[in-house]
Amino acid sequence: QKEVEQDPGPLSVPEGAIVSLNCTYSNSAFQYFMWYRQYSRKGPELLMYTYSSGNKEDGRFTAQVDKSSKYISLFIRDSQPSDSATYLCAMSVSMDDYKLSFGAGTTVTVRA
Amino acid sequence: DADVTQTPRNRITKTGKRIMLECSQTKGHDRMYWYRQDPGLGLRLIYYSFDVKDINKGEISDGYSVSRQAQAKFSLSLESAIPNQTALYFCATSEGQGLTYEQYFGPGTRLTVT
Repeated sequence: QKEVEQDPGPLSVPEGAIVSLNCTYSNSAFQYFMWYRQYSRKGPELLMYTYSSGNKEDGRFTAQVDKSSKYISLFIRDSQPSDSATYLCAMSVSMDDYKLSFGAGTTVTVRA
Repeated sequence: DADVTQTPRNRITKTGKRIMLECSQTKGHDRMYWYRQDPGLGLRLIYYSFDVKDINKGEISDGYSVSRQAQAKFSLSLESAIPNQTALYFCATSEGQGLTYEQYFGPGTRLTVT
């Protein structure tokens, strides 16, 4: 069983829709939860991070962590074609932890 | 200019050949990493380096070796390439202390072994 599970999709939504992405994990020691965005033919870039449980909002993006369920989510409101990318969740035990455990990534297409 | 660069961007090689992938960074970070990305498997860590004299194996280091020539340069070698090493390879960097979860990735090298 993988340490981090993420549905690869693909997910196709019309412009303006809410995109909902999620990951589950098995290691209860994870404390830092990240979402990376990867455009086609590019490297991943950090989109958001959350420490422990709770919500974090950044513009149209909201990250949620439910440690009791070992479940994290990313919501994209008012989605735009420029949001079309692969979204990877990642997790680590501590702020200094070199080892990030990545999900497989979910590919999202926002149709104009 | 990009902070993390990788060369080559694409490479096709034959089974048994030795190949080197190179990574350079201008971010001034101490930590550097090599990952491979395969469909359905996500990013997996091959090697990581905390400074020039500190190099460590990641979860899938068999068949690979690395060299940290300078703080800014980290190379990955496949001594004798095999077809299941066909993948997208990424170099990444991060701060030395704290914020290690924020890693900066290069554009990737697409390697095909025939």
